[in-house]
Amino acid sequence: AQSVSQHNHHVILSEAASLELGCNYSYGGTVNLFWYVQYPGQHLQLLLKYFSGDPLVKGIKGFEAEFIKSKFSFNLRKPSVQWSDTAEYFCAPPQFNKFYFGSGTKLNVKP
Amino acid sequence: EAGVVQSPRYKIIEKKQPVAFWCNPISGHNTLYWYRQNLGQGPELLIRYENEEAVDDSQLPKDRFSAERLKGVDSTLKIQPAELGDSAVYLCASSLVLAGSYTEQFFGPGTRLTVL
Repeated sequence: AQSVSQHNHHVILSEAASLELGCNYSYGGTVNLFWYVQYPGQHLQLLLKYFSGDPLVKGIKGFEAEFIKSKFSFNLRKPSVQWSDTAEYFCAPPQFNKFYFGSGTKLNVKP
Repeated sequence: EAGVVQSPRYKIIEKKQPVAFWCNPISGHNTLYWYRQNLGQGPELLIRYENEEAVDDSQLPKDRFSAERLKGVDSTLKIQPAELGDSAVYLCASSLVLAGSYTEQFFGPGTRLTVL
């Protein structure tokens, strides 16, 4: 069965710190990978996506993610976080057009 | 462009009562999803429609949950009767799926259901 694992449930950082959120999925084959974000009081929205090509993908607001096929991972990174990055982040690798969302990581950035 | 619209935003009911949620997807999107999100967890798919057809309802508790998508546009999700464990946020999402390709889903604000 497909599964998604997000290792960090709650992360607290100070502004300007670097961020890396882990995401591992359990299946092989063709992989399309997504990260979604939910800012306080807002809808879930797409942060970035990987379909093919360069395994390092850029998203909105300075986020990036790297697909490492050998590790079944798609970790999210940002070199310098801002207070406005406080949100909940979900990894969502779909298969057969069904999105398997991770349990989410709550990021709290202290000003 | 209007996003995915859901109503109501909040609903409080007593157990054993029925409840219904409504979703209007983004115009032109052929695929509609209903998710349930429990506190501290990611969304879990309940049902997925491609146009009018429910193509994946394997996670829908069919003894008490039902859904419909008339004319392939709006959709309604119903619970009857509601149980305490149904308290959650119910999310609707839509996307344009072409030739089986994976595409971004656009989410509505959700309906927060509290069952007392």
